[in-house]
Order: sequence, then C-alpha cells, then structure tokens
Amino acid sequence: ETAVFQTPNYHVTQVGNEVSFNCKQTLGHDTMYWYKQDSKKLLKIMFSYNNKQLIVNETVPRRFSPQSSDKAHLNLRIKSVEPEDSAVYLCASSFWGANQDTQYFGPGTRLLVL
Amino acid sequence: GDSVTQTEGPVTVSESESLIINCTYSATSIAYPNLFWYVRYPGEGLQLLLKVITAGQKGSSRGFEATYNKETTSFHLQKASVQESDSAVYYCALSNMGYKLTFGTGTSLLVDP
Repeated sequence: ETAVFQTPNYHVTQVGNEVSFNCKQTLGHDTMYWYKQDSKKLLKIMFSYNNKQLIVNETVPRRFSPQSSDKAHLNLRIKSVEPEDSAVYLCASSFWGANQDTQYFGPGTRLLVL
Repeated sequence: GDSVTQTEGPVTVSESESLIINCTYSATSIAYPNLFWYVRYPGEGLQLLLKVITAGQKGSSRGFEATYNKETTSFHLQKASVQESDSAVYYCALSNMGYKLTFGTGTSLLVDP
C-alpha cells in the first residue's frame, strides 16, 4: 500500500532545462528525504528535512534545491539539468528520533537528460 | 563518514538452498547506529525487510534473519531455505538517528527454481 507518492514517474528533458519533482507522504511523518540512485544502483542521500527545516545537505550541486511547504510535502527542483543528473530520485519519510527512524520510500522518479 | 560494504552481486542460489549476504559497516557519526535491510522486488519500490536497533539483537522477517554484531561491525542477512520469490535486490543500511540512511551498493539475488 503506497503512502509516499512521487510525480512524475518518468521525465525526459534536455540539457539546460529546469525540472521539478513532487513528493507527498500520508504517514504523518515529520521528516522527509531525497535520495539519488545512479546508474550503478548506488543510493545516496541528497537532503533531509525535519519539520520543514533542512537538516542534511550532502554536497549536492547548487542547481538542486529542495522545497518544503509543510511536513507532508518535499519537492525537488533542478535548475539547468546536466547529463550526470540522469538517475532515479527517491523520496522517503520517517518519524524523527533514534528508535522511530524507519524510512518509507516512494516509487521513484526516473530522470533522463539528453 | 559512515559507510556500508556488502556482498557484491549478482548472487545466484538454487531454490531451497541457504543464503548469506554479508554486510559490514563503519559508523563515524554515531557509536551504535540502527541497522536495516531493505529489499526491492522486481517492479516494486524499496521496502523495509528488517531492522535492529540494539547491539546483540536479531531481527527477522519473511524467513530472513540478521544479527547486530558490534564487535565485528557486521549485520549479515541469512535465510535457511530460499524461494524463487526471494529474487530481488537487497540493501544493507545504517541510520544515524534519523538524519539519513547510508546504504551499501545492493546485492542482486537470483533464485533458480
């Protein structure tokens, strides 16, 4: 049963364009994340937000900017995409805290930059 | 920084045989991280398989088991008898109190019927 929703499922664009991905969770969690899965299937954290506050920013290029309107939504905007941005972007959510930090993942948004 | 190393795949096992996928971790941001196994079945999203938050404890789910060993910093995934439906990609991960998950590279498992 899906509780972390991502749109779009798939997006094809050209170098230099701007793209935005949306993520919404219905689990009542207070913390949300964006991960990038590259062509080698390696999953790496990009951003973490707790109660709409940025708490982790892992050396992500400045063309990436997360946007959180409330605890249930965390969007990702990429200004001027580059070929190396082609990847699957996974959104996740959890409760904050050492014993509550199981993360639940969305289905992912696959980005192809031509 | 934190890191996770796991068995490199693909791993092929015959149905009803036993399985072990090795996972070792290095946590610099926290002494005793929470440890996880996530799984992605074909055509599905990443989902939690099992989680252990206390050193020395064992987690189990769907016939899989993993024990949190702080001495060897390991969290190996084991199953006594695999089924074809276990074919999937398995990820070992650690959490530093909710800030983020650090994943291994994933192990693709194929179970021959």
